[in-house]
Amino acid sequence: ETGVTQTPRHLVMGMTNKKSLKCEQHLGHNAMYWYKQSAKKPLELMFVYNFKEQTENNSVPSRFSPECPNSSHLFLHLHTLQPEDSALYLCASSRQGGGGNQPQHFGDGTRLSIL
Amino acid sequence: SQELEQSPQSLIVQEGKNLTINCTSSKTLYGLYWYKQKYGEGLIFLMMLQKGGEEKSHEKITAKLDEKKQQSSLHITASQPSHAGIYLCGADSGTYKYIFGTGTRLKVLA
Repeated sequence: ETGVTQTPRHLVMGMTNKKSLKCEQHLGHNAMYWYKQSAKKPLELMFVYNFKEQTENNSVPSRFSPECPNSSHLFLHLHTLQPEDSALYLCASSRQGGGGNQPQHFGDGTRLSIL
Repeated sequence: SQELEQSPQSLIVQEGKNLTINCTSSKTLYGLYWYKQKYGEGLIFLMMLQKGGEEKSHEKITAKLDEKKQQSSLHITASQPSHAGIYLCGADSGTYKYIFGTGTRLKVLA
């Protein structure tokens, strides 16, 4: 059973829609992450938040907008997405950011399909 | 930038057989993680290796980090259908950065 919960599990949206992905962690961690997983590609780090402050934006297009209101919650707001944005979006958390040899704990992801 | 290469990309074994998955880094590893992922789900943390020559085991899975800290191997003894999934290695790649390999897809035939 995972301590990181993502909703929804599946999302189908048109290119003009606006939707949000939600992630919640119950592990008392201070760092949270968004990853994109596409077929036959390595996991791509998108955003990192450490103690609610964004510390990494890995050149992600502005149609993806993250929000971290507190250390337990992370959102990814989606707007005007493209078909190539269809992927599995994974949220993760760790005790703190900055590496330091700490494993990440992942949610089950949101499978996003853009029509 | 640092990259992780995994081999093989996919593996099909008969139940009961042993197998090994490799993860090679283009730079020295300071923290190497192994994860398992079932299709369409999140990653489950298996083990973390930090020191050159370190070896860790969990049930029938053993992971090693070589002395030069540029390669790790994951070995499964007497594989079972429950071992099927995608195995990914991950590493710290600077402050607030983690990188992952492309994964090894394992299928175990009963």
